[in-house]
Amino acid sequence: SQTIHQWPATLVQPVGSPLSLECTVEGTSNPNLYWYRQAAGRGLQLLFYSVGIGQISSEVPQNLSASRPQDRQFILSSKKLLLSDSGFYLCAWSPGLAFQETQYFGPGTRLLVL
Amino acid sequence: AQSVSQHNHHVILSEAASLELGCNYSYGGTVNLFWYVQYPGQHLQLLLKYFSGDPLVKGIKGFEAEFIKSKFSFNLRKPSVQWSDTAEYFCAALSTSGTYKYIFGTGTRLKVLA
Repeated sequence: SQTIHQWPATLVQPVGSPLSLECTVEGTSNPNLYWYRQAAGRGLQLLFYSVGIGQISSEVPQNLSASRPQDRQFILSSKKLLLSDSGFYLCAWSPGLAFQETQYFGPGTRLLVL
Repeated sequence: AQSVSQHNHHVILSEAASLELGCNYSYGGTVNLFWYVQYPGQHLQLLLKYFSGDPLVKGIKGFEAEFIKSKFSFNLRKPSVQWSDTAEYFCAALSTSGTYKYIFGTGTRLKVLA
């Protein structure tokens, strides 16, 4: 069966420090991968998605970037964190090639920037 | 622009009351529609989905949703809620145009009083 992992679960970082959040998927190949930020009252905001290695689409201009160095690995990064980057970050995957597929979400990372 | 609207942000019900959560979407073409649920402390998970065919779809735990194309709506219903239905509910839409992009509504927090 497929599983999705995210780490760390919780992170407290100072303003201006770098960030690296990792997401890995097991049990499937060539998934579509997604990074979301979930904020209270604002739902899930799609940040990045990827349909293959090295292929990243950015949805909103921001202080963050994403990379997909391997088929089942998706990394969310920042060179210098801002206070406004605080939030709950969710990684998700869906089977590639089909438009009807469900997304499967990871446990999330709660980031607090101080 | 593509969008998904959930007009009920917070709903409080007593056990055995009936539930209906509204979801409206704005898309230029054909869409697939989803309801996801996030129970306290758990991952986001799929409740039900509509791709085509019978506009009344049934999901887990007694939930159902009706796709009304003329109203661009996909409302979630349950005849009799339980305390364990306390959760946050998200409506989502996926364009079938091949962009792989899901758009989520802002979510509805449901609290069921025992």
